[in-house]
Amino acid sequence: EDQVTQSPEALRLQEGESSSLNCSYTVSGLRGLFWYRQDPGKGPEFLFTLYSAGEEKEKERLKATLTKKESFLHITAPKPEDSATYLCAVRESGYSTLTFGKGTMLLVSP
Amino acid sequence: DSGVTQTPKHLITATGQRVTLRCSPRSGDLSVYWYQQSLDQGLQFLIQYYNGEERAKGNILERFSAQQFPDLHSELNLSSLELGDSALYFCASSVGNTPGNIQYFGAGTRLSVL
Repeated sequence: EDQVTQSPEALRLQEGESSSLNCSYTVSGLRGLFWYRQDPGKGPEFLFTLYSAGEEKEKERLKATLTKKESFLHITAPKPEDSATYLCAVRESGYSTLTFGKGTMLLVSP
Repeated sequence: DSGVTQTPKHLITATGQRVTLRCSPRSGDLSVYWYQQSLDQGLQFLIQYYNGEERAKGNILERFSAQQFPDLHSELNLSSLELGDSALYFCASSVGNTPGNIQYFGAGTRLSVL
């Protein structure tokens, strides 16, 4: 069973059409949930870290939220340059490493 | 630019061969992590080094090995290569080894085994 599950696998939006990406996790003792953005042929780029339920962080058109079982990445009025794969990762208590989900591929059309 | 440098960008080799991938971490970072990314498996953690010592091991095959040198750069050695080893290999670095440390990724090495 995957510890980190992201949905949907792919999402196509029109420019300006807001939506949310989901990341659910089953690890016990969460010590951080991380969101990364990955462009084709490039390495993941750090976006946010969330540590406790109820926490929210924002950056431009992106807002990340965290509950006890899942995190959402809300994209408000997206632009074509927001097209990328968004990866979620968790750090479990007692570990310094990250477990990644398989990502959501977002395509924003003009 | 994350500050993490990986070389080479692309590597094409044949089955049974051995290759070495190189990673230079961001200035001041002591931890280096290696990941493998394939289409079906996503980003999989392989191994972590902290200040020259192995700190954590993930799904790393016995045919693969890594080390971190005194200048903190790291190398990932892949031997007896198989077709299934074709993937993107990423290196990441972080300042330390605590849970709050953010991992910054390099641009990756694309390995093609023919």
